[in-house]
Amino acid sequence: QVQLVQSGAEVKKPGASVKVSCKVSGYTLTELSMHWVRQAPGKGLEWMGGFDPEDGETIYAQKFQGRVTMTEDTSTDTAYMELSSLRSEDTAVYYCATDLKGSGYFDYWGQGTLVTVSS
Amino acid sequence: AIRITQSPSSLSASTGDRVTITCRASQGISSYLAWYQQKPGKAPKLLIYAASTLQSGVPSRFSGSGSGTDFTLTISCLQSEDFATYYCQQYYSYPLTFGGGTKVEIK
Repeated sequence: QVQLVQSGAEVKKPGASVKVSCKVSGYTLTELSMHWVRQAPGKGLEWMGGFDPEDGETIYAQKFQGRVTMTEDTSTDTAYMELSSLRSEDTAVYYCATDLKGSGYFDYWGQGTLVTVSS
Repeated sequence: AIRITQSPSSLSASTGDRVTITCRASQGISSYLAWYQQKPGKAPKLLIYAASTLQSGVPSRFSGSGSGTDFTLTISCLQSEDFATYYCQQYYSYPLTFGGGTKVEIK
């Protein structure tokens, strides 16, 4: 079984950056394709980006290109999502999500990390 | 990007009712569609993948059908624990995209 445990809630000022972590257990990070999905308050799910195992590259949604960076530390089996130039519209719960087959749907999710952007 | 139109956005139903939710893709996605259930304050839970394959542990009252552009999630006999928001997601191509969600409420 895969377990994903995310870092705690963050409060940031507009223009700042935030880095959310996602610790993997049960499997190693190299066995998984990690993705990030966010959900603004009262809104739907929005895919931000993730690892494409077919190309071996991380793909970002165009909306976040230039502002988001997804990295992995395989020594600690921890994935990271860093979002810069934060604005109020980035207030959301951020989830890491994965599946064992690298298929693109997600049967394992982190518990979510609330990021609040407020002056 | 492939757009996913999900309908209805909300519905009211009673325990024991049969409920149907629809997703339409803006282009053909074969059977690369998943369905999720989300309860307030919780992460989404995978119900169905490959349009009609039930995820392990998911009750058989949930079923999915469709291919190409039109897909359906059916709950055959609504239970109290099924009141939640449901999302579909295409994984045919990047960017991965979700439907807008359907909130199933108690009538």
